[in-house]
Amino acid sequence: GEDVEQSLFLSVREGDSSVINCTYTDSSSTYLYWYKQEPGAGLQLLTYIFSNMDMKQDQRLTVLLNKKDKHLSLRIADTQTGDSAIYFCAESNHYGNNRLAFGKGNQVVVIP
Amino acid sequence: GAVVSQHPSWVICKSGTSVKIECRSLDFQATTMFWYRQFPKQSLMLMATSNEGSKATYEQGVEKDKFLINHASLTLSTLTVTSAHPEDSSFYICSARDRLAGGPGQETQYFGPGTRLLVL
Repeated sequence: GEDVEQSLFLSVREGDSSVINCTYTDSSSTYLYWYKQEPGAGLQLLTYIFSNMDMKQDQRLTVLLNKKDKHLSLRIADTQTGDSAIYFCAESNHYGNNRLAFGKGNQVVVIP
Repeated sequence: GAVVSQHPSWVICKSGTSVKIECRSLDFQATTMFWYRQFPKQSLMLMATSNEGSKATYEQGVEKDKFLINHASLTLSTLTVTSAHPEDSSFYICSARDRLAGGPGQETQYFGPGTRLLVL
């Protein structure tokens, strides 16, 4: 089955790097995603990584995937106040009609 | 980029009334749309998968007669909360999968901004 775990809260100073972690249990996961949710809003897809990749970098975002340990992380470089939000990791696979299973979310608060 | 809209963005209703929420894909066709529910400080819980032209597939524990889903076109799905009660108050979010996107985009769900429902 699908089970995605995340830690809950992270505070970081503006300009520093922030790292959010996520673990998952479904070894058949095909894609892993990071979504951002600002207060009272829907989810914004930040980035995704295919399960046969170890790392993906997209501007300030770096995704690391350790498939052996089923561990996914998102590093945000030069964190800005606009990065304050809740971040959800999610996974999907071909066998579940591409349904997404979400983690509980990690709230990031950026301190100016 | 792909845009999904929801209407209304928020609604307050009396207990016992029905509320309809619309989810539209604005610049792409979506054969599949998903409806989620999110309680405060919690993650998204998938309620149902809506397929254009066919019956929705509901997750375990979600009453299909309570949450009516209609996906009549490739750009519109509706969720009707029938005989709403205060415990139905929540944030309802839809997402849509782009039918024509290939590769990773085919897997990608684009989310609407959500509809906040408050039942008094």
